[in-house]
Amino acid sequence: DADVTQTPRNRITKTGKRIMLECSQTKGHDRMYWYRQDPGLGLRLIYYSFDVKDINKGEISDGYSVSRQAQAKFSLSLESAIPNQTALYFCATSDQRETYNEQFFGPGTRLTVL
Amino acid sequence: EDQVTQSPEALRLQEGESSSLNCSYTVSGLRGLFWYRQDPGKGPEFLFTLYSAGEEKEKERLKATLTKKESFLHITAPKPEDSATYLCAAPPANQAGTALIFGKGTTLSVSS
Repeated sequence: DADVTQTPRNRITKTGKRIMLECSQTKGHDRMYWYRQDPGLGLRLIYYSFDVKDINKGEISDGYSVSRQAQAKFSLSLESAIPNQTALYFCATSDQRETYNEQFFGPGTRLTVL
Repeated sequence: EDQVTQSPEALRLQEGESSSLNCSYTVSGLRGLFWYRQDPGKGPEFLFTLYSAGEEKEKERLKATLTKKESFLHITAPKPEDSATYLCAAPPANQAGTALIFGKGTTLSVSS
């Protein structure tokens, strides 16, 4: 089984709808991240969490919110989806005991907002 | 400003034609330089971490090297299955243990 899983893998929605993307991990890592990837812009950080009680905004957090339900679960919500949020979304994890912060990525969720 | 820049954006090679990908960074007090491979529609897959200038790491046909200003990913005698986008990344200088700053990647195509 994959260490980092994301659901759904693909989602098509309409402008204004609320969407939740979910991430689960079995690596036992404390740190979890949400990135989005757009052609020509690379990977950009949305939110990150060091533990259940520690959530931080990343580079592009506007229009998004997150919830860390447990050490192993980190959800990303789009409260009112808009077309420019169409992108590939990745969850990642890392181990706080590793000084150099090697990150492990899930398979991604392809989101299309019409 | 902390930045990670990769070049070229795209590289086409013939099978067996060796080459190098470049990653330059402007992160003070570098705490690791990471290389990832990403196949279309999939998540980045970790390849290497380099910690200090002069360090080298190898995996099959790939060798990563690090200087004080840049890193290179050398691909020796590539095969079509090496075709992918290669990403480099580094943690920002002023945020210990946080997320990574990624370059935009180099898309490698190897034809037989």
